[in-house]
Amino acid sequence: KNQVEQSPQSLIILEGKNCTLQCNYTVSPFSNLRWYKQDTGRGPVSLTIMTFSENTKSNGRYTATLDADTKQSSLHITASQLSDSASYICVVSADTGGFKTIFGAGTRLFVKA
Amino acid sequence: DTEVTQTPKHLVMGMTNKKSLKCEQHMGHRAMYWYKQKAKKPPELMFVYSYEKLSINESVPSRFSPECPNSSLLNLHLHALQPEDSALYLCASSLRRPDEQYFGPGTRLTVT
Repeated sequence: KNQVEQSPQSLIILEGKNCTLQCNYTVSPFSNLRWYKQDTGRGPVSLTIMTFSENTKSNGRYTATLDADTKQSSLHITASQLSDSASYICVVSADTGGFKTIFGAGTRLFVKA
Repeated sequence: DTEVTQTPKHLVMGMTNKKSLKCEQHMGHRAMYWYKQKAKKPPELMFVYSYEKLSINESVPSRFSPECPNSSLLNLHLHALQPEDSALYLCASSLRRPDEQYFGPGTRLTVT
């Protein structure tokens, strides 16, 4: 069964600290993995996209890693800011000849001053 | 222009009303999507249009009727909705499946 599991469900950190969010998936055949940031009541905004051959990708203070062997990805946020408070969603696509996108439940991040 | 726009931003409608949600993109993307998102849940795929033809309908009730009049526009026609249909409706587009999807800001729908 194609699944995407994210942990933790929620996280509270102090401004300026780093954090790492996890995504484990069982999607097959794997096509790509994306991390999105979603502010409450707004549409998701893409942070990174990685294919099978890529194991790390950065976007400013956001760095995503991918281990296709263990089917794990992480999103590392450096020097967190109050504006980083949002939900972070891991999305994995399977290329089955058709198209299947599986969303994780997201991690809700709260950055406190 | 790397933006997906959605109108209206907010919509309140009664169960007997007919309304439409609109989505527009000018990035030359040929795949467009409708998602429904309830609070604290991930988006759920409703429909996918590929090259202006409906390619995926995820068993959505007929009170939701999508329409793709051209490659830049996507509509979602609403009729006889139920209060449980209240949600954030997101539109997205991508160059081709399964490439990266660009999401619009969403329409917050409340059914009374």
